Amino acid sequence: NAGVTQTPKFQVLKTGQSMTLQCAQDMNHNSMYWYRQDPGMGLRLIYYSASEGTTDKGEVPNGYNVSRLNKREFSLRLESAAPSQTSVYFCASSEALYRSSYNSPLHFGNGTRLTVT
Amino acid sequence: EDQVTQSPEALRLQEGESSSLNCSYTVSGLRGLFWYRQDPGKGPEFLFTLYSAGEEKEKERLKATLTKKESFLHITAPKPEDSATYLCAVQDGGSSNTGKLIFGQGTTLQVKP
Repeated sequence: NAGVTQTPKFQVLKTGQSMTLQCAQDMNHNSMYWYRQDPGMGLRLIYYSASEGTTDKGEVPNGYNVSRLNKREFSLRLESAAPSQTSVYFCASSEALYRSSYNSPLHFGNGTRLTVT
Repeated sequence: EDQVTQSPEALRLQEGESSSLNCSYTVSGLRGLFWYRQDPGKGPEFLFTLYSAGEEKEKERLKATLTKKESFLHITAPKPEDSATYLCAVQDGGSSNTGKLIFGQGTTLQVKP
């Protein structure tokens, strides 16, 4: 079982460059999420998609865009990378709709380690 | 403001030395409290969900408990393979009803043989 797959695993960008982080899940989950993890800050939600065709901002959306391409795939785009976006990015998925009363756990990928110089 | 605080930040134990990790939270209407384990270079791995005060869940050497203000992750007779960062997260069901998941900063556990 692949679960949640993220590509690439590592990336180095120069300030102002753009890139797209890819995420795919094979668990037929409805909801997908993008988090960033920084030392001392914990995991912070960037964007989420409760279901195919919908996306919403999370806690730290500035500088990012997302696309829910289909039920399996959810991509995160940095249009003009900044050093403050150096972080580890995690994609996650869950079975239940994000705003439903049913709490299902998030399943995470292994992350993309991004450095912006 | 919703908040999750984990303590201690780091914990070193000898193999077999039991201890507890703490997760205290302030949210407007708790929907669920989640515990995750994260190994270096990996994504968080789900361990438990707790929904109401008094609830307990167990898995091997781990037991999670929940009160109205905090959760504990008890580790009984830990082994070196239990070394990891343990993350706590809460989902609020307050008036905004967003179901947002709020993570603590984690406790890094090292178990020495």
